Amino acid sequence: QQQVKQSPQSLIVQKGGISIINCAYENTAFDYFPWYQQFPGKGPALLIAIRPDVSEKKEGRFTISFNKSAKQFSLHIMDSQPGDSATYFCAASGDSGNTPLVFGKGTRLSVIA
Amino acid sequence: EPEVTQTPSHQVTQMGQEVILRCVPISNHLYFYWYRQILGQKVEFLVSFYNNEISEKSEIFDDQFSVERPDGSNFTLKIRSTKLEDSAMYFCASGTDFYGYTFGSGTRLTVV
Repeated sequence: QQQVKQSPQSLIVQKGGISIINCAYENTAFDYFPWYQQFPGKGPALLIAIRPDVSEKKEGRFTISFNKSAKQFSLHIMDSQPGDSATYFCAASGDSGNTPLVFGKGTRLSVIA
Repeated sequence: EPEVTQTPSHQVTQMGQEVILRCVPISNHLYFYWYRQILGQKVEFLVSFYNNEISEKSEIFDDQFSVERPDGSNFTLKIRSTKLEDSAMYFCASGTDFYGYTFGSGTRLTVV
């Protein structure tokens, strides 16, 4: 019940296209859903996060869509650029932050010109 | 922009040896964490630390592991007797609350 399932494992997108990564969870106590971006040799960096009281959050080219009833959330990267090529992790934590982040297995995104 | 600093960036150690991984969290942060990432796999929680004590730990964080904040600025992870399966990237993170914390660049631990 603590798992966060992420798909796809890898994704290749043309420059300018939309990258979509999906995550699903089971634990209804989760109340914080961040996305992290990781470049090789670096630590995960917080990209964008959402709480379950909203269904969508947008920051620049990055949008999180959240479906509470389906227990799913997704990251959309609009106008994908080669510099977006990285590994993306969804994560979740709950109980008002009193539980640690549970990460998905990651999606390796390659944006090709 | 403030950073979480980890040293060393790469540590090679013999099986059975003790290692200490060091972290300097962001100065006004109160919550500290260690996570690890085995090569190509997901990031896994090890331990959280708040108010000078462990607030939560995972099943990975057994008696071979310990954490310390020795001088009010550093935050260390000690592995007493390393095993081959301890080889991983170890990430320190810090935050002002339980959400949105900042990760360091990690220490790659290789146990041979």
